[in-house]
Amino acid sequence: KAGVTQTPRYLIKTRGQQVTLSCSPISGHRSVSWYQQTPGQGLQFLFEYFSETQRNKGNFPGRFSGRQFSNSRSEMNVSTLELGDSALYLCASSPKFDRGFNYGYTFGSGTRLTVV
Amino acid sequence: DAKTTQPTSMDCAEGRAANLPCNHSTISGNEYVYWYRQIHSQGPQYIIHGLKNNETNEMASLIITEDRKSSTLILPHATLRDTAVYYCIVNTNAGKSTFGDGTTLTVKP
Repeated sequence: KAGVTQTPRYLIKTRGQQVTLSCSPISGHRSVSWYQQTPGQGLQFLFEYFSETQRNKGNFPGRFSGRQFSNSRSEMNVSTLELGDSALYLCASSPKFDRGFNYGYTFGSGTRLTVV
Repeated sequence: DAKTTQPTSMDCAEGRAANLPCNHSTISGNEYVYWYRQIHSQGPQYIIHGLKNNETNEMASLIITEDRKSSTLILPHATLRDTAVYYCIVNTNAGKSTFGDGTTLTVKP
């Protein structure tokens, strides 16, 4: 079956612009999480959605937002881009979200965002 | 969430077992140990997870000490394709964790 699909794979934006990244989970997966990966900070959790509701949120400013659609596809948006937002943004999906315990995440290959 | 400590890097000969340690001395009773790996330019890949008992699947084995303060991921017969960064995560919800720096495993011919 198809894996987690993230689009676009690469993106270059200018400071101050906004960007929207897309994630299509594995068919049947209803939980989608987003991560930011940078060389200095490692892989950091942004937020998680299940059944169109944000269930968990990491420690990121309000410029970072997301949403999930009824077909479980998810988007994340970053407004007023800063140079420090340059990173690999990863999406992961999982079939279930049960009392805060979730496992077996399948990650996509990510979107590499460069802010200039 | 409990913090984890892993060696920065390790080498392993092809065909030999790779044993990757992880310390998580502040783990609490309801926290699971997860292992993921990330091969260059790809997203992390789930390997295995466990609570207190040792676990084995087609990819690896997970050995958790009785006091649960440390664990070891074992790749029984490492191949060149196992060269990756291996992350040990302790949390009730792996989706919320910060992965940390992990261990860069290099499998050598």
